[in-house]
Amino acid sequence: EVQMLESGGGLVQPGGSIRLSCAASGFTFIDYAMSWVRQAPGKGPEWVSGISGSGDTTYYADSVLGRFTISRDNSNNTLHLQMNALRDEDTAVYYCVQDRAAIDPWGQGTLVAVSS
Amino acid sequence: EIVLTQSPGTLSLSPGERASLSCRASQRVSSSYLAWYQQKPGQPPRLLIYGASDRATGIPDRFSGSGSGTDFTLAINRLEPEDFGVYYCQQYGSSPITFGQGTRLEIK
Repeated sequence: EVQMLESGGGLVQPGGSIRLSCAASGFTFIDYAMSWVRQAPGKGPEWVSGISGSGDTTYYADSVLGRFTISRDNSNNTLHLQMNALRDEDTAVYYCVQDRAAIDPWGQGTLVAVSS
Repeated sequence: EIVLTQSPGTLSLSPGERASLSCRASQRVSSSYLAWYQQKPGQPPRLLIYGASDRATGIPDRFSGSGSGTDFTLAINRLEPEDFGVYYCQQYGSSPITFGQGTRLEIK
C-alpha cells in the first residue's frame, strides 16, 4: 500500500526557512519521479517542485524558483523540500506525491504557516 | 503548462438529482491522463476517477468520468448527502501536473 508521511511544517516568520520531509513506502521509491504539491487555504492544489527518480533533475514552479530546493534520499525513501525566504503566500498544506500520476492516496500533508 | 478551467464554480442540487461537472484544458491532455478528486473540509483530496473514465478503488458507480482531448466531464448520478464538497480535476500527462480551480457541490 502506497503511503506518504509528510512532516516538518510549522509557523515561520516571513523571510524565514523551514525543511519539509516525506517518508514514502509501499512502492519502489527510486523508480518514481516525485513532486511537492501545495494547497493554500480555500484554493486548489498547486504543483511546486519535482525531482527525477535518480535525483539528477529538478523542476520548480516560477513562484518558488531560487527559494526552494527539492532533494531526495533514495537509500531512506525520503523526499525533502528546503524552503527559504518564505513569503505570506507560501502558507499552505504541503503534500508529497508521485509525479505524473493520479494521486492515490494523498498523505495528510504538513502545514506551513508564514506569519509575523 | 496546461491550464484547466472548471465549471460551474458552484453547483447546488438536491439529493437524488444528477450533477455534471466540466473540466476544460487549454491544450490536449495526453493519453487522457485526467483525474477527478473530491475534497471535504479538513481532509486531503480523494481520488475518484483516473484515466478520464476509470473509477478508483471503492468509488461507487454513481460516479462516472468521460471525455478526451480538451473536454472532460464528471457525472454524479443520484446524489447522496455525503457527495457535498469541492471537486478538482487534474492532468498528469504533461509536466508540470496541473489542477483546476475546483467546483463546489452544495447539497440543497
